[in-house]
Amino acid sequence: ELKVEQNPLFLSMQEGKNYTIYCNYSTTSDRLYWYRQDPGKSLESLFVLLSNGAVKQEGRLMASLDTKARLSTLHITAAVHDLSATYFCAVKNTGNQFYFGTGTSLTVIP
Amino acid sequence: KAGVTQTPRYLIKTRGQQVTLSCSPISGHRSVSWYQQTPGQGLQFLFEYFSETQRNKGNFPGRFSGRQFSNSRSEMNVSTLELGDSALYLCASSLDPGQGADTQYFGPGTRLTVL
Repeated sequence: ELKVEQNPLFLSMQEGKNYTIYCNYSTTSDRLYWYRQDPGKSLESLFVLLSNGAVKQEGRLMASLDTKARLSTLHITAAVHDLSATYFCAVKNTGNQFYFGTGTSLTVIP
Repeated sequence: KAGVTQTPRYLIKTRGQQVTLSCSPISGHRSVSWYQQTPGQGLQFLFEYFSETQRNKGNFPGRFSGRQFSNSRSEMNVSTLELGDSALYLCASSLDPGQGADTQYFGPGTRLTVL
């Protein structure tokens, strides 16, 4: 079974600081997805990374994918309070089944 | 375009009962997937339906079942409810995962509490 691991599980950071969330997965996949979930809410799609070396940026978030290392990163630049949420990465296996990481709960402190 | 809708939003049931949850995908989306989210197990895949056929199934007991209708709306059913079935059940739709249009759009979820 495909395993998806995220670290850290919990992240508390000050406003204005930078940090990176890591997502490792266990088998070959050329697509990786990042989602955001606010407390009590559903998941919102952030990025879809479609190939090795793909990089996507939206505001203060930038995601990248290294399929050879089976690693994706979500980099946060100059964090603001509005970014506080839980972030999930997900990978799809050859059978089109999605596997989600454990999630990283991010709290941005003023 | 309207998003994914799920009904009901909240449910309280007792052990042994059965429950049916409903999901209406985004118009034009043919794939519907169901997930169970709990604090302990995280997000776990239940099953995926495409054109009224179950294409994938996660590792859940047979008490969990689903179906999809010709208009792509989907229902999932849980029979003989157990306390451990308490969770947020999320439905997600996508255009056609097999053709690469596989970004999933999630509904607001149904919060099921089993007493």
